[in-house]
Amino acid sequence: EADIYQTPRYLVIGTGKKITLECSQTMGHDKMYWYQQDPGMELHLIHYSYGVNSTEKGDLSSESTVSRIRTEHFPLTLESARPSHTSQYLCASSARGRETQYFGPGTRLLVL
Amino acid sequence: GENVEQHPSTLSVQEGDSAVIKCTYSDSASNYFPWYKQELGKGPQLIIDIRSNVGEKKDQRIAVTLNKTAKHFSLHITETQPEDSAVYFCAASGTGTASKLTFGTGTRLQVTL
Repeated sequence: EADIYQTPRYLVIGTGKKITLECSQTMGHDKMYWYQQDPGMELHLIHYSYGVNSTEKGDLSSESTVSRIRTEHFPLTLESARPSHTSQYLCASSARGRETQYFGPGTRLLVL
Repeated sequence: GENVEQHPSTLSVQEGDSAVIKCTYSDSASNYFPWYKQELGKGPQLIIDIRSNVGEKKDQRIAVTLNKTAKHFSLHITETQPEDSAVYFCAASGTGTASKLTFGTGTRLQVTL
């Protein structure tokens, strides 16, 4: 089982609040990813990183931002949460030169 | 870019029957095809993968087949059990540092008693 962790697992927050979703992995993986998953099941890539100080936007436009200051840590921040941000957010990582991604358990976000 | 289509979106089978989920991809340069299983309240977990130099791969009750010419790959689950009930995703990727997985839209499999 992959060692990738996400906190919190569930978050209910009011509109306008700033939130940070945490993602950590202990496998030394260079590449990390954030996906947004709606109730319709589809996985949408919103951010990825190939290493420290590298961040890229994914296929789905997102108002969130990410940072990669340490290899093991890839937090996602929403400066001002809105109901449209309600979703499940999944973090994943993969090793350099390998395509297989390992997923964390996800954070289910509800913005009221 | 790559486009992956997955069918069916829902599948209901009786316990003990087989289940087949099919995917097609568009980019002929793709050469890595994993399958993930996502149980309720969890993140997707890799269950099997195949590379383009292999036509079929088996692991106990699950198998994946790949037809590179037709750009098709399929997941086969035999002797289904209730614990096989989950959402299954196929994906495709090229190789190299910049490669990313492109996922299918998912199949919700329900195994009934």
